[in-house]
Amino acid sequence: GAGVSQTPSNKVTEKGKYVELRCDPISGHTALYWYRQSLGQGPEFLIYFQGTGAADDSGLPNDRFFAVRPEGSVSTLKIQRTERGDSAVYLCASSLGGGTSTDTQYFGPGTRLTVL
Amino acid sequence: GQQLNQSPQSMFIQEGEDVSMNCTSSSIFNTWLWYKQDPGEGPVLLIALYKAGELTSNGRLTAQFGITRKDSFLNISASIPSDVGIYFCAGQNTGNQFYFGTGTSLTVIP
Repeated sequence: GAGVSQTPSNKVTEKGKYVELRCDPISGHTALYWYRQSLGQGPEFLIYFQGTGAADDSGLPNDRFFAVRPEGSVSTLKIQRTERGDSAVYLCASSLGGGTSTDTQYFGPGTRLTVL
Repeated sequence: GQQLNQSPQSMFIQEGEDVSMNCTSSSIFNTWLWYKQDPGEGPVLLIALYKAGELTSNGRLTAQFGITRKDSFLNISASIPSDVGIYFCAGQNTGNQFYFGTGTSLTVIP
């Protein structure tokens, strides 16, 4: 596709449930980022993949959150035992991943997660 | 996570007026970026700055990378209604983490 796509666009779940959020990056982009954006705030870094490996997962808030990118393309962010405080828009971004400072990130439209 | 201090938090201006917003950090960054986000969309990159003191324009937008590497500003000249949205600054250090500002909400009154 032309841009980064994310599914679902909206997800409503109950406290304690498990959710998966999917990101399809731009074809050929080796770098992939997950961010969380709470209402009225800027995006907050969660995790960065270079290829299949998580190069930096220091932004994941706790061990209920983890993400995978098994084939170096599509990524899934997984949240276990969801809490109301997990409600936010989860943004995915991808970039060519050349490791240079000029590597531009392109964002998807986000998945709005609501935990009741 | 770290968030940059961005001001003003919101602006209401008349169409045709110029706009200025800035971003400060307690940390040094190697790259400063400015994004615009529309409702229901992800941020879109407007301008990227890579060197301290750099002044870069993109149409009616001008941004500067502060000499101290701890701040940046964005100016929009002759605002138009489609400039409405939330503007975010972002800084990148030596790693691959990007830290975003708290956003400036811009409303343009026709």
